[in-house]
This record gives sequence, C-alpha cells and structure tokens, in this order.
Amino acid sequence: EPEVTQTPSHQVTQMGQEVILRCVPISNHLYFYWYRQILGQKVEFLVSFYNNEISEKSEIFDDQFSVERPDGSNFTLKIRSTKLEDSAMYFCASNDRDRGSTEAFFGQGTRLTVV
Amino acid sequence: GNSVTQMEGPVTLSEEAFLTINCTYTATGYPSLFWYVQYPGEGLQLLLKATKADDKGSNKGFEATYRKETTSFHLEKGSVQVSDSAVYFCALPGSGGSNYKLTFGKGTLLTVNP
Repeated sequence: EPEVTQTPSHQVTQMGQEVILRCVPISNHLYFYWYRQILGQKVEFLVSFYNNEISEKSEIFDDQFSVERPDGSNFTLKIRSTKLEDSAMYFCASNDRDRGSTEAFFGQGTRLTVV
Repeated sequence: GNSVTQMEGPVTLSEEAFLTINCTYTATGYPSLFWYVQYPGEGLQLLLKATKADDKGSNKGFEATYRKETTSFHLEKGSVQVSDSAVYFCALPGSGGSNYKLTFGKGTLLTVNP
C-alpha cells in the first residue's frame, strides 16, 4: 500500500541552526501538507502546497519556515534558524483533492529536538 | 471556521471494556469527519471516516456515527484490547478556502490494561 515517508525519524539540532525535514508524498497525490505536534498538545496545521506554491499557511508558519518541492518526489520543510519552541513532531501529509477526497495520508513523523 | 471539541483524557480501561470517546463539532455545512489514531512511537493513521450525515464509519471494531442533530461523531468500541492503547484524534476539514486542511481535536490518550 502506498505511504508517505519522512526522513529522518529523529533530528537533534542546536538552537539557531537550519534544519530540513524531508518527505516523499504518495506518488499520484498533488496536495501536500505539513503539520506539527508539540509534545502533549494537539496536531496543528502549518502549510499546504499545490502546484509548486503555498496555497495556505497558518500563523505559525512565519518567515523562518519555508517549503519546497525540489524534484518530482520530495517535499521539504526548512526551518532557517531553529528555536527551542520549534521542538515538536512534524508530520507530512498528502491527499488527492482532485478526486474530492478530504482524507489525508500522514507520514510517520520527524521528531525535532532543538537544544 | 470549523472546529472540534474532543473529550480529554486520559482514559484507562480494562481489556474487553466498552469505550466511548466524545467528539462534537462546529462546522459550516456538512464536512467529512474523521478519527485518526496515533499508536505509541508512530505517526497518524486514519482509523475511520464518515462523509455525510447519518453515515457510520467503522474499522477494527471501532464505530462512529455522523449525527447532525447533535453535531457529534463519538467513537465507540464494544470490547477494547491492549493493542488499542493509543491517542485518538477527532478531525474535520476547514471551512471556506480551507476545505482540505484538517483541524484536530486535542487528542484522547487511551490505555487498556490486561
């Protein structure tokens, strides 16, 4: 069964460093998303991406964040200068909106720890 | 915008007990409703969904009925197992131009003891 894959599973970085979280969405999906879950809190929407541009972003997604689809398979989330409060589980998701489905398929997540 | 209010846990049950996790929603129109599950150390998985009023979603012995009269989508299982221990999230799409991003409840941690 096709699945969304994310790498790495766990990333530890020093405050102020740049990190790139990687995702490979399901191959025939065209809509991609990043969510995050701070430990013990709810899952929050960060950004959605379609046709090589951001279609929506939340207030969390400030200038420190960026997303990119560098090739036909990868979808990345970059945090330019990490802060302690960026420590969270980051989930990538994709779906097939063109078929009217609102169901999102999630990856296993990347646990980001900023020290 | 659309939102969900989910029963907060944690919930601790013995094996074979009956489970209910409450979820109520506020929405424009009648969006699809979802329950996602997060097993320890894993990502989010879709557990079940309902796409219109009065639909019943079911999977792995879990059920939830989309009730527009009470704006609810409560998750139920008749006999839980230790392997059902996980965090359960109620979710629905956003409204207006946010039709496809998901809004999640706070999650309910379920622990099932043998």
